[in-house]
Amino acid sequence: DAKTTQPTSMDCAEGRAANLPCNHSTISGNEYVYWYRQIHSQGPQYIIHGLKNNETNEMASLIITEDRKSSTLILPHATLRDTAVYYCIVRKNAGGTSYGKLTFGQGTILTVHP
Amino acid sequence: GAGVSQSPRYKVAKRGQDVALRCDPISGHVSLFWYQQALGQGPEFLTYFQNEAQLDKSGLPSDRFFAERPEGSVSTLKIQRTQQEDSAVYLCASSDYEKLFFGSGTQLSVL
Repeated sequence: DAKTTQPTSMDCAEGRAANLPCNHSTISGNEYVYWYRQIHSQGPQYIIHGLKNNETNEMASLIITEDRKSSTLILPHATLRDTAVYYCIVRKNAGGTSYGKLTFGQGTILTVHP
Repeated sequence: GAGVSQSPRYKVAKRGQDVALRCDPISGHVSLFWYQQALGQGPEFLTYFQNEAQLDKSGLPSDRFFAERPEGSVSTLKIQRTQQEDSAVYLCASSDYEKLFFGSGTQLSVL
């Protein structure tokens, strides 16, 4: 799976949008961009994923550049409960010879301040 | 519905003891993964099951680590003769092919 690069840490004020960048310049055509987050003492939690189109759900929005070499996760109105480690992962979905393993990097520590 | 359940939540073992960690996946999920997470690090892949078949055990750090899923549902990760370097959080995840759903993990401390 392609490697991703994320900033080590970021800060955000409560109520403001948090924009978390991710570089994945070696992504292949059949690889998806996934975002997970891990709140202290919990297991990773799925946020959103996409292939090449922008995606939005109740948690966040995902913006993928046209060349697919980078993406941005947007939390539109960050709250204190959004403080967590955010992982950007490139993954092949299960099927064929792939079983969809997630390979985690170091992630971005997002701290939301009051 | 119920998520992935792991037990025990915390386990303290003396060096040299054997431990068994249990994972109850989401009902109907064919795929099951085990990960190890050291303090301050991202989770590291250990092994993967498709139903009862262990298709990938490339991440198991030594032959002291053994995982099974005999009926294609509940899985157990066993660590024999525990060492201090085995201290970590052990995470289990089950998958519907599109997303992995993680449990809260078992925090293992080897003294």
